[in-house]
Amino acid sequence: GAVVSQHPSWVICKSGTSVKIECRSLDFQATTMFWYRQFPKQSLMLMATSNEGSKATYEQGVEKDKFLINHASLTLSTLTVTSAHPEDSSFYICSARSRQKYSNQPQHFGDGTRLSIL
Amino acid sequence: RKEVEQDPGPFNVPEGATVAFNCTYSNSASQSFFWYRQDCRKEPKLLMSVYSSGNEDGRFTAQLNRASQYISLLIRDSKLSDSATYLCVVNPGGGGNKLTFGTGTQLKVEL
Repeated sequence: GAVVSQHPSWVICKSGTSVKIECRSLDFQATTMFWYRQFPKQSLMLMATSNEGSKATYEQGVEKDKFLINHASLTLSTLTVTSAHPEDSSFYICSARSRQKYSNQPQHFGDGTRLSIL
Repeated sequence: RKEVEQDPGPFNVPEGATVAFNCTYSNSASQSFFWYRQDCRKEPKLLMSVYSSGNEDGRFTAQLNRASQYISLLIRDSKLSDSATYLCVVNPGGGGNKLTFGTGTQLKVEL
């Protein structure tokens, strides 16, 4: 079945550091990838939608200069949290939508990245 | 009003019990509906899609009432392994294949 790999799974770093998270679709081509953020006891909140070869579309309230998204190929999207601060600590999850005909899953999720900024 | 609303719980039930979760959504143009399961510190996993006619998958039954904008999930003969957070998820339509997640209902199945 469709698999999405997300790396790293856990990051702890100092305030002011930039952190890059990778999301790869391993056995399918993903025309669209989504980036979510989830704070404790809250729902997944969509941050941005990324289409291969074009600029990402950010949700209201998400700073595009802080959360840089690159979707350079049909199998890879990256999210870079620039100059991260403690309030950016969260669980970041990517998902991918297959280019193929709609399957039983609307989106295939990565394992998530737990980001902790000290 | 939140786009997707759920009772956060937790629901503490004994093993073997039947438990029902409810969800309401605000956008009447929403096109498709799902229940996802999320274990602690893990990614969400699709449990089942929800169809207008209602659908069943083993011990799980999902129902949709478009007129009331209401979705339900029934779990029969609950197992310890059913303990998780159940997320009501809606595709609001309008293109883009976005998903809107509820905050989830936590279920704890106990001996």
